[in-house]
Amino acid sequence: EPEVTQTPSHQVTQMGQEVILRCVPISNHLYFYWYRQILGQKVEFLVSFYNNEISEKSEIFDDQFSVERPDGSNFTLKIRSTKLEDSAMYFCASSEDGANTGELFFGEGSRLTVL
Amino acid sequence: KNEVEQSPQNLTAQEGEFITINCSYSVGISALHWLQQHPGGGIVSLFMLSSGKKKHGRLIATINIQEKHSSLHITASHPRDSAVYICAISGAGSYQLTFGKGTKLSVIP
Repeated sequence: EPEVTQTPSHQVTQMGQEVILRCVPISNHLYFYWYRQILGQKVEFLVSFYNNEISEKSEIFDDQFSVERPDGSNFTLKIRSTKLEDSAMYFCASSEDGANTGELFFGEGSRLTVL
Repeated sequence: KNEVEQSPQNLTAQEGEFITINCSYSVGISALHWLQQHPGGGIVSLFMLSSGKKKHGRLIATINIQEKHSSLHITASHPRDSAVYICAISGAGSYQLTFGKGTKLSVIP
C-alpha cells in the first residue's frame, strides 16, 4: 500500500540551528501538508501546498518556516533558526484531493528536539 | 473560528464493549475527519465525512450537519483498538484542518 515517508524520525538540534524535515508524499497526490504536535497537545495545522505554491498557512507558520518541493517527489519543511518552542512532532500528509474533499495520508512523523 | 470539542477525553472499556466517541463543532464545515493516533505517535485516517454515515469493519462514523455533531462507534472493541481518536474539521473552501484534543481509548482484555 502506498505510504507517506518522513525523515528523519528524530532530530536533536541546538537552538538557533537550521533544520530541514523531509517528506515523500504518495506519488499521485496533489495536495501536501505539514502539521505539528507539541507533546501533550493537539495537532495543529501549519501549511498546505498545491501546484507548487502555498495554498494556505496558519499563524504558526511565520517567516522562520518555509516549504519546498525541490524535485517533484520530496516535500520539505525548513525551520531557519530553531527555538526551544519548536520542539514537537512534525507530521507530513498528502491527499489526492483537498482536505475538504479527500482522505489524508499521514507520515509517521519527525520528532524535533531543540536544546 | 471553528472550535472542535471531543468527549470523553479518556475512555476505558472492557473487551467486547460498544464504544462511542463524540465530536461537536461550532460553525459550518465542508468535511469532518476521524483519525487514529497510535501509541507510537503515527496518525491514520479512519473516515472522511461530509454527510450521513460510513462503515468500515467494526468502525462506524456518523455526522449530523444540522446539529454540528459527529460520532465514532466501535463495535466489539478489542485491545488493539487502544489509541487516541481525533476528530478534525475543514471549513468551506479551506485546506486547513482544525483538530480536537482527542479521546484516549484503552480497551482492557
